Amino acid sequence: SAVISQKPSRDICQRGTSLTIQCQVDSQVTMMFWYRQQPGQSLTLIATANQGSEATYESGFVIDKFPISRPNLTFSTLTVSNMSPEDSSIYLCSATLLTAENPPYEQYFGPGTRLTVT
Amino acid sequence: RKEVEQDPGPFNVPEGATVAFNCTYSNSASQSFFWYRQDCRKEPKLLMSVYSSGNEDGRFTAQLNRASQYISLLIRDSKLSDSATYLCVVNGANQAGTALIFGKGTTLSVSS
Repeated sequence: SAVISQKPSRDICQRGTSLTIQCQVDSQVTMMFWYRQQPGQSLTLIATANQGSEATYESGFVIDKFPISRPNLTFSTLTVSNMSPEDSSIYLCSATLLTAENPPYEQYFGPGTRLTVT
Repeated sequence: RKEVEQDPGPFNVPEGATVAFNCTYSNSASQSFFWYRQDCRKEPKLLMSVYSSGNEDGRFTAQLNRASQYISLLIRDSKLSDSATYLCVVNGANQAGTALIFGKGTTLSVSS
């Protein structure tokens, strides 16, 4: 398994501001992902963080709102831009280990960042 | 049809009970299947991967039926600590690192 850390663990932000969340993995990984979990809901994929290139976004999520960086194999950031109360959610980073050559490609999650926008 | 469907529960059972959760998925090309456990206000943690032949890990048994696109999780001799939300999770096509598709979860409450 992998140990994944995220910071900040939580934040309360004013609408119109931006917050950058950092994700660090202690192992070499193949893929990193960012998810959102809104209150009472399951996880929804925001994007796949690609090393050295633009992230791949899922339907309903755009780069201008959720810019993502991944400068190396073990680190990624997600920025939530121009925040509104609807962005209040838990944001989770996940990773697949480099040694996962075949299915089932198990993924491990960071502890999440709890964001409240007022 | 939703991509991954689960009975949301809640399932309220006494200690020692056996409980089964079911899940269906819509993408017949899916190759990887998992059960994750999520405790309140915590991140999902991998409980077990699900293999075509079925697999067991202690009190937990997972089954996969590809023809019916159906996954199950059986918990025997339930413990208080088993109380959590159980997420049925499916990978996309056979490609390394394909993102996961989560069901909405089944809530289990084990009482003494």
